[in-house]
Amino acid sequence: DAKTTQPPSMDCAEGRAANLPCNHSTISGNEYVYWYRQIHSQGPQYIIHGLKNNETNEMASLIITEDRKSSTLILPHATLRDTAVYYCIVRVAPDTGNQFYFGTGTSLTVIP
Amino acid sequence: GAVVSQHPSWVICKSGTSVKIECRSLDFQATTMFWYRQFPKQSLMLMATSNEGSKATYEQGVEKDKFLINHASLTLSTLTVTSAHPEDSSFYICSARDLGNIYNEQFFGPGTRLTVL
Repeated sequence: DAKTTQPPSMDCAEGRAANLPCNHSTISGNEYVYWYRQIHSQGPQYIIHGLKNNETNEMASLIITEDRKSSTLILPHATLRDTAVYYCIVRVAPDTGNQFYFGTGTSLTVIP
Repeated sequence: GAVVSQHPSWVICKSGTSVKIECRSLDFQATTMFWYRQFPKQSLMLMATSNEGSKATYEQGVEKDKFLINHASLTLSTLTVTSAHPEDSSFYICSARDLGNIYNEQFFGPGTRLTVL
């Protein structure tokens, strides 16, 4: 699976959009971009995933560049409960192994 | 949505004892479950892949005789930390692969915090 690079930490004002970048310059054509988040002392929570088109759901939007070498997770109106570590993962889906290898993630702090 | 539970959520044990952690998929079947370990302020580290009815596949550097994994049914996998020592104190998280999802999504449990005295 391709390696991802994320900034270690970010701050965002409550109510504003949080834009979390992820670089995955070695991504393969059949690899998807997944985003998970982990609130302190809890298991990771699925947010969104995509292949090449931009995706939106009730939690967030995922913007993938045309060359697919980077992506941005957008939380449109950040709340204090969005404070968490956000992980960007790229992997083939579906695939036989299906393992997730987590990077270091971005620790997002939403400030009141 | 798919729910994965873990039991116990927190366990404290004496050094040298063994601890069993259960991972259950509550509303879906999971032929594959995964076990992760997370130390404070670090990311999740995949320990092993647990396949129903067969032996688990361990990641490099993970001792299979110390971390015993059993996946006897489509909804239950167990991780037993044998002869636990203080350095085994960690947050253990499981995930289950939902075959009913076309992307074979993984859903994570809430984690089990193990403290070895």
